[in-house]
Amino acid sequence: AQSVTQPDIHITVSEGASLELRCNYSYGATPYLFWYVQSPGQGLQLLLKYFSGDTLVQGIKGFEAEFKRSQSSFNLRKPSVHWSDAAEYFCAVGAMWGNDMRFGAGTRLTVKP
Amino acid sequence: DAGVIQSPRHEVTEMGQEVTLRCKPISGHNSLFWYRQTMMRGLELLIYFNNNVPIDDSGMPEDRFSAKMPNASFSTLKIQPSEPRDSAVYFCASSIISGGSAGNTIYFGEGSWLTVV
Repeated sequence: AQSVTQPDIHITVSEGASLELRCNYSYGATPYLFWYVQSPGQGLQLLLKYFSGDTLVQGIKGFEAEFKRSQSSFNLRKPSVHWSDAAEYFCAVGAMWGNDMRFGAGTRLTVKP
Repeated sequence: DAGVIQSPRHEVTEMGQEVTLRCKPISGHNSLFWYRQTMMRGLELLIYFNNNVPIDDSGMPEDRFSAKMPNASFSTLKIQPSEPRDSAVYFCASSIISGGSAGNTIYFGEGSWLTVV
């Protein structure tokens, strides 16, 4: 069965600094990988997804993620964080056929002024 | 385009009462999911439907929980009787299974915030 690990429960960065959120997955076949963001009191919004092709994926709000099969990782990055990026970020792995999507525990991002 | 619509957004109820949460998936989507989110357990998949048929309900915590999808545009999650430990945010989500790059991206509603006192 697939699983997702987000090693960092909480990360604090200064506004304007770069950001990397870690995600490691376990999956027996080609994974389909996602990053979602959840602002306080809101639902989850899709930031980006990887299915195949270029391993560097661009998403909304200036985020990108890189799929590294050898490391079973799908880390999320942003070159310069804005205060509005403060939220909870979830990595997820799913299958193409069927809907057994698994979410990580989430990483809460705090942005310092 | 309308996203996944959930109601009620917030509900406070007394222990022992029946709670019904409602969901309208995105039009054209053929899969629907119910998730529960708590601080302790994170985001848990409770049940999902494909073409209105329950496929996997192994995440439903106990018999007090039931879910139905009578048609492609409506689903309910019912808790009867409710208990304080059921307090959580319940998310409905939908997706479409298809080939190609669309894959199975899941789109979430804004959640129903349930408090059982």
